[in-house]
Amino acid sequence: EVQLVESGGGLVQPGGSLRLSCAASGFTFTDYWMSWVRQAPGKGLEWVANIKQDGSATYYVDSVKGRFTISRDNAKNSLYLQMNNLRAEDTAVYYCARASRWGGPFDFWGQGTLVTVSS
Amino acid sequence: DIVMTQSPDSLAVSLGERATINCRSSQSVLYSSDNKNYLAWYQQKPGQPPKLLIYWASTRESGVPDRFSGSGSGTDFTLTISSLQAEDVAVYYCQQYYSTPFLFGLGTKLEIK
Repeated sequence: EVQLVESGGGLVQPGGSLRLSCAASGFTFTDYWMSWVRQAPGKGLEWVANIKQDGSATYYVDSVKGRFTISRDNAKNSLYLQMNNLRAEDTAVYYCARASRWGGPFDFWGQGTLVTVSS
Repeated sequence: DIVMTQSPDSLAVSLGERATINCRSSQSVLYSSDNKNYLAWYQQKPGQPPKLLIYWASTRESGVPDRFSGSGSGTDFTLTISSLQAEDVAVYYCQQYYSTPFLFGLGTKLEIK
């Protein structure tokens, strides 16, 4: 059974940092591009970043460039998102999602982890 | 950036009737080298992650009921539910995966009339 399980969310103050993790199982992790997609409360979906199968290429939405870093550990079947200098507008549920191609489609999603940036 | 515009924002349809959701991209998402439209549709029910319904604009994901269909090419796309069922109440999103950033539409909320 394919599973993506996110963890690491929580409450953080503006300017703070948080590291999200996504544990993958039930499929060959190295066959897939992996992405983070977020959803602010009551809002739509926003693609945040993705990373190539071997970790050699990464892409980000402009609003997080220089603050967020996506990475993966293929030996541990895990995806990460290091989030620094967090802002209130980063408050969202963060989903990890897999895709067989560069930008999608995202054929499987985790349940998400909530990040709240507030003082 | 390729901006995705969905219409309508919300839609109420009677059970058994047809529901149609539109999506327009600000630039073509038809890739000439493979003649494929890099456009996907997702369904999101409350409290759940999105679920992939349609990719390449018209290819149904495995396990998705055949009442769901996608059509269109270039910049104009449509998701059609041929006979609405109660379990289809959800928000539907289109997404382009042609170029980064891989933007989604703002969503269409589908309800029962």
